[in-house]
Amino acid sequence: AQTVTQSQPEMSVQEAETVTLSCTYDTSESDYYLFWYKQPPSRQMILVIRQEAYKQQNATENRFSVNFQKAAKSFSLKISDSQLGDAAMYFCAYRTSGGNNDMRFGAGTRLTVKP
Amino acid sequence: DTAVSQTPKYLVTQMGNDKSIKCEQNLGHDTMYWYKQDSKKFLKIMFSYNNKELIINETVPNRFSPKSPDKAHLNLHINSLELGDSAVYFCASSQESRGWYGYTFGSGTRLTVV
Repeated sequence: AQTVTQSQPEMSVQEAETVTLSCTYDTSESDYYLFWYKQPPSRQMILVIRQEAYKQQNATENRFSVNFQKAAKSFSLKISDSQLGDAAMYFCAYRTSGGNNDMRFGAGTRLTVKP
Repeated sequence: DTAVSQTPKYLVTQMGNDKSIKCEQNLGHDTMYWYKQDSKKFLKIMFSYNNKELIINETVPNRFSPKSPDKAHLNLHINSLELGDSAVYFCASSQESRGWYGYTFGSGTRLTVV
C-alpha cells in the first residue's frame, strides 16, 4: 500500500520569506501523480500544485514550486514570498495513474506566517 | 455555481440518531468519494463510486452506507451515531480519465455527536 509521510507537523515562516514543506512517499508504481492541497481555517481543500511522475521538470504555480526527486521518493513544496494568507494546513497527496484508485494523504503540516 | 456542494455544513445530533449528508457535483465527473477528517486532521478514504458503482469500500462500520442515485450525487447515511463519529466529512469528485487533475472537494460537513 502506498503511504505518504509529512515529517513536519508544524512550520513557521516570516512574512515575505521562503519556506519548504517536506513530503516523502512509498510506492512500487512507476507512474503516479503527486499533489499539494491547502486547507485554510475555512476547511475548504484547495489544490495548490500537482506533478506527474513521468515529468522530470518540477511544477511551478506562481509563488509555489515543488522539488520532485523520483528516485528518493520525495516531493517538497516551496513557498516563496510568504503571505499571511498562506497560513493553513498543507497536505501532500499521492495517487496512482491507474483508474479507480483513491488519493492517499499525508498527516499534514500546519504553516504559520508571522507578520 | 458551487462545483461540489455538501449539505448540511454543520450537523449536531445525539448519540443513537440516524443522519444523512448529501453531496452533489456539477462538474460532469464520473467518480465521487467520501473522506473522513478526524480531530488530528488526518484524511482517510471511506467510499468511492464510479458511475454509480461502488469501487472503494474501506473498512468502516456498516452503520455507514453510501448511496449514489446518479453519477452527480453521492449521499452518506449514518445509522446509530456514536461519539467517535464526530469528524469533518468531505465529499470529492474527479474524472477518472483525467486523474492528474486531482479531486475537487466540497466544503465539508462538521458532524458533532453529543
